[in-house]
Amino acid sequence: GESVGLHLPTLSVQEGDNSIINCAYSNSASDYFIWYKQESGKGPQFIIDIRSNMDKRQGQRVTVLLNKTVKHLSLQIAATQPGDSAVYFCAEEAGGNMLTFGGGTRLMVKP
Amino acid sequence: DAGVIQSPRHEVTEMGQEVTLRCKPISGHDYLFWYRQTMMRGLELLIYFNNNVPIDDSGMPEDRFSAKMPNASFSTLKIQPSEPRDSAVYFCASSSDQETQYFGPGTRLLVL
Repeated sequence: GESVGLHLPTLSVQEGDNSIINCAYSNSASDYFIWYKQESGKGPQFIIDIRSNMDKRQGQRVTVLLNKTVKHLSLQIAATQPGDSAVYFCAEEAGGNMLTFGGGTRLMVKP
Repeated sequence: DAGVIQSPRHEVTEMGQEVTLRCKPISGHDYLFWYRQTMMRGLELLIYFNNNVPIDDSGMPEDRFSAKMPNASFSTLKIQPSEPRDSAVYFCASSSDQETQYFGPGTRLLVL
């Protein structure tokens, strides 16, 4: 989840394949993590969250994995669809109600 | 629920002019956040409120920026005077549980 300035990392996948988007967070005290999806011209949209007492959480077609040992978070999207094309952000919270966002990853789904 | 509402959606102004961005949070949410998003710096928290009281404004870039929340259903972010480097997308978000924040559609500001 490092800021990457003008250039976003891009993941290109074929429709129907599974996607894995990764995020490295920096604060070992962070205890709450969220994945957001941002489509062009829209605000970030909540996808799924996970607390530090868990290492996996599943939603509809999405799974979040948390590895606190290496401070790594991943978002898995099953059977990726064209509508999944967007920029995905991870965010971490270490108390104080403030989220710190990563730089984002652009997901492109090829039909 | 209509979600977080922001206005205007687009704003074009000239350098030196005052700009006021508006936000209506989701009803019942007691936290409100203002963010700025640019290509270079990504998504940055500017300020957030709890029960209409500013809690942390350390992200406000400088004195030209100010934010108010006169009641639970309305907040403003004001830039006076505006500068070209203020051009960005400004998002408002709200939450009820201190953690899961829901974002508005954003205001795209261009300062010429």
